[in-house]
Amino acid sequence: IAGITQAPTSQILAAGRRMTLRCTQDMRHNAMYWYRQDLGLGLRLIHYSNTAGTTGKGEVPDGYSVSRANTDDFPLTLASAVPSQTSVYFCASSDHYRRTGDYGYTFGSGTRLTVV
Amino acid sequence: AQSVTQLGSHVSVSEGALVLLRCNYSSSVPPYLFWYVQYPNQGLQLLLKYTTGATLVKGINGFEAEFKKSETSFHLTKPSAHMSDAAEYFCAVSEDSSYKLIFGSGTRLLVRP
Repeated sequence: IAGITQAPTSQILAAGRRMTLRCTQDMRHNAMYWYRQDLGLGLRLIHYSNTAGTTGKGEVPDGYSVSRANTDDFPLTLASAVPSQTSVYFCASSDHYRRTGDYGYTFGSGTRLTVV
Repeated sequence: AQSVTQLGSHVSVSEGALVLLRCNYSSSVPPYLFWYVQYPNQGLQLLLKYTTGATLVKGINGFEAEFKKSETSFHLTKPSAHMSDAAEYFCAVSEDSSYKLIFGSGTRLLVRP
């Protein structure tokens, strides 16, 4: 089934530890994104990648890093986790060569991360 | 830079009543506009989107939205609320010059029996 796979589904992490959230898509979409969702704040963009080999900062990039070595994978790394990074993280992708019709964004099912 | 404002963090309606969820956007170029719904402990589901063409957009589950450039709005409506419509709704905007999808803070819809 075409779509986005995120792993893990949930995680409890000790503060100060390093963690990588995985995101893989099989739709050959050129652009990928990471969002965090917090109550009352909606989804905020952390980092994005318009195409393999390029990345950019979103609204809340501090404390996070990403890489885009190929089209399919877009991992998000927390180098040293802090409690304020407790959140639900969503990965998404889109194909910007199609701006009409079925153009849109596909979201993963999310990773619930708790930093203690 | 684009931005989205959703008026009302919570909206409560009676079953069978009109649903109106407000969304205003800021964009320096013609926007692409989206509404997503999120049920408890689930991911995001696309309700509808405006990219080009007709400004009145029909989506799933009886929802529709109208793009009004002069008012910079993209309000979501449904003529008759069902209990199953209770969820959180997000408006989002992207631009042709940027691939980024920017979300509003969300509106939680409560449906009273």
